[in-house]
Amino acid sequence: AQSVTQLDSQVPVFEEAPVELRCNYSSSVSVYLFWYVQYPNQGLQLLLKYLSGSTLVKGINGFEAEFNKSQTSFHLRKPSVHISDTAEYFCAVTPFTGGGNKLTFGTGTQLKVEL
Amino acid sequence: EAGVAQSPRYKIIEKRQSVAFWCNPISGHATLYWYQQILGQGPKLLIQFQNNGVVDDSQLPKDRFSAERLKGVDSTLKIQPAKLEDSAVYLCASSFGTSGRQETQYFGPGTRLLVL
Repeated sequence: AQSVTQLDSQVPVFEEAPVELRCNYSSSVSVYLFWYVQYPNQGLQLLLKYLSGSTLVKGINGFEAEFNKSQTSFHLRKPSVHISDTAEYFCAVTPFTGGGNKLTFGTGTQLKVEL
Repeated sequence: EAGVAQSPRYKIIEKRQSVAFWCNPISGHATLYWYQQILGQGPKLLIQFQNNGVVDDSQLPKDRFSAERLKGVDSTLKIQPAKLEDSAVYLCASSFGTSGRQETQYFGPGTRLLVL
């Protein structure tokens, strides 16, 4: 079984400041990793995913994430946030094999960008 | 390309009543998922279909929840009877293939259910 921990339930940040949203996971097998964003009253939208290869993954809207296997982490970063980045962000994993593409999500981090 | 469609967007019912949600996946997507998202939590998979067969329903409360995907396209999720703890957003997602691995899931806007 897999589990995902997002330690920060809320992250307030000023516009144009950098931000990091933390994600740690636990799994007995290798996993693929994802970050999704959920804007108010909308469904989830894929930001980026790590499948293999370079551990630094670039996604949409200027976000990037780095996979660290030894620390079982997949933190999301953006060098300069905008008001429009205010949303809830979910980290998720699915096992390489045997999981049937089932996503296990963390509890989410609410990013609030202020002027 | 049209996204995943869901209806209704909002539903308010009293406990012990029945309710049904509808999902139309992206055209050509073989796999369909229903997730339950309780306030303050991440989405939890309830059931996964591949074409019209069930792949995983291990977390579906089968005494009150049922789902079907006739003809391998649209899907309906039903709750009968509803309990207060069923208040949540019900998300439908779909993915293209049937390989079961690393397929990007595309989510609909969800149905927000409030049980009074």
